[in-house]
Amino acid sequence: NAGVTQTPKFQVLKTGQSMTLQCAQDMNHEYMSWYRQDPGMGLRLIHYSVGAGITDQGEVPNGYNVSRSTTEDFPLRLLSAAPSQTSVYFCASSALGGAGGYNEQFFGPGTRLTVL
Amino acid sequence: SQQGEEDPQALSIQEGENATMNCSYKTSINNLQWYRQNSGRGLVHLILIRSNEREKHSGRLRVTLDTSKKSSSLLITASRAADTASYFCATDARWGNNDMRFGAGTRLTVKP
Repeated sequence: NAGVTQTPKFQVLKTGQSMTLQCAQDMNHEYMSWYRQDPGMGLRLIHYSVGAGITDQGEVPNGYNVSRSTTEDFPLRLLSAAPSQTSVYFCASSALGGAGGYNEQFFGPGTRLTVL
Repeated sequence: SQQGEEDPQALSIQEGENATMNCSYKTSINNLQWYRQNSGRGLVHLILIRSNEREKHSGRLRVTLDTSKKSSSLLITASRAADTASYFCATDARWGNNDMRFGAGTRLTVKP
């Protein structure tokens, strides 16, 4: 199993450009999420999904869109990049634990994004 | 806002000593998890403790959970230089947002 994969690993954008960060998992997990991590800080949740066709906003959703057409893929789209979106982006997936909450999350290696 | 907050923000110890990190959270939870992050890499899951559990062990790791105080602690015994990393707690709320939230982390440095 490849686990959680993310592409690209690095990306430089100019202000106003758009792009899509790709995330895929091969563990048949229902829950997938996107986080951003800024220097010296923890992870802040951008968007998440509990299954194909279902997405919801996290703490910092503005400027980002997501879709979940399949169980495996959960792309994150930056609509119009801004310097404030310079960050490291992590995708994660987890099996749902039903009424008992979430199980462990598996993280991708991250995408380092710089917006000039 | 972030659900969990770790304390201290940074911790520096000598190899062989024990390291204790704390996590406080705001709302009732289903589970609390601890993760480790080496510099510049993705997070790795360490241990999960459910709301009806009080203590769990995994190798040199010991996690406690006090739901009445909304707090958890992670103890790493006999620390090694390789334990140098950032440690984060994550919670999923029993009610409200159907997601997982992370704290800002504790940066642990273990000196050889």
